[in-house]
Amino acid sequence: EIVLTQSPGTLSLSPGERATLSCRASQSLSSSYLAWYQQKRGQAPRLLIYGASSRATGIPDRFSGSGSGTDFTLTISTLEPEDFAVYYCQKYGSSQLIFGGGTKVEIK
Amino acid sequence: EVQLVQSGAEVKKPGESLKISCKGSGFSFTSYWIGWVRQMPGKGLEWMGIIYPDDSDTRYSPSFQGLVTISADRSISTAYLQWSSLKASDTAMYYCARHGKFSSGKGGLFDSWGQGTLVTVSS
Repeated sequence: EIVLTQSPGTLSLSPGERATLSCRASQSLSSSYLAWYQQKRGQAPRLLIYGASSRATGIPDRFSGSGSGTDFTLTISTLEPEDFAVYYCQKYGSSQLIFGGGTKVEIK
Repeated sequence: EVQLVQSGAEVKKPGESLKISCKGSGFSFTSYWIGWVRQMPGKGLEWMGIIYPDDSDTRYSPSFQGLVTISADRSISTAYLQWSSLKASDTAMYYCARHGKFSSGKGGLFDSWGQGTLVTVSS
């Protein structure tokens, strides 16, 4: 079974700074079936990125995804106040779906 | 507008049964998979299983196989998650979400989520 490991667990940054979140898979992901979700406190998750680097509908371009194989990155170029949340990566594309443990981006 | 509306919060005792629901609207319910995701208090997201309402094809995470039952009623565009005997460890928020067909390349990609159903199990 594939395991997704996200790091760091918590990222303390100020508005305006750049955030770099990592997601590492224990095995190579075929066709880059890797997604990122954002979950704000008290809300359901929201799809941000799919196919490792494609933004979902309505997602601002300050969010970008990259990577392939086993190493993937979510970058928020300039943090806005509404971006402080928990971010999860997810393997999809087969009927066994897996989420990473999450990275919390908090205000420094 | 695509919507998934879940049933309200539940407070149950250990050993009781429970069935929560997720009603879809604004899209063809039988053309998408509906999944369930657990989030225990202060913890991350755990995928539980999925169902294709058109033919009730159901897949479970090994972690939840035998512990819950996922079903759907295509006639009323509603999916269900049920327990026969709740435990205190089932206390969590449960989300439903939809994803496209696996043949589309978006199988398992949850693009729309319900608001969540909080289940509290306590004696």
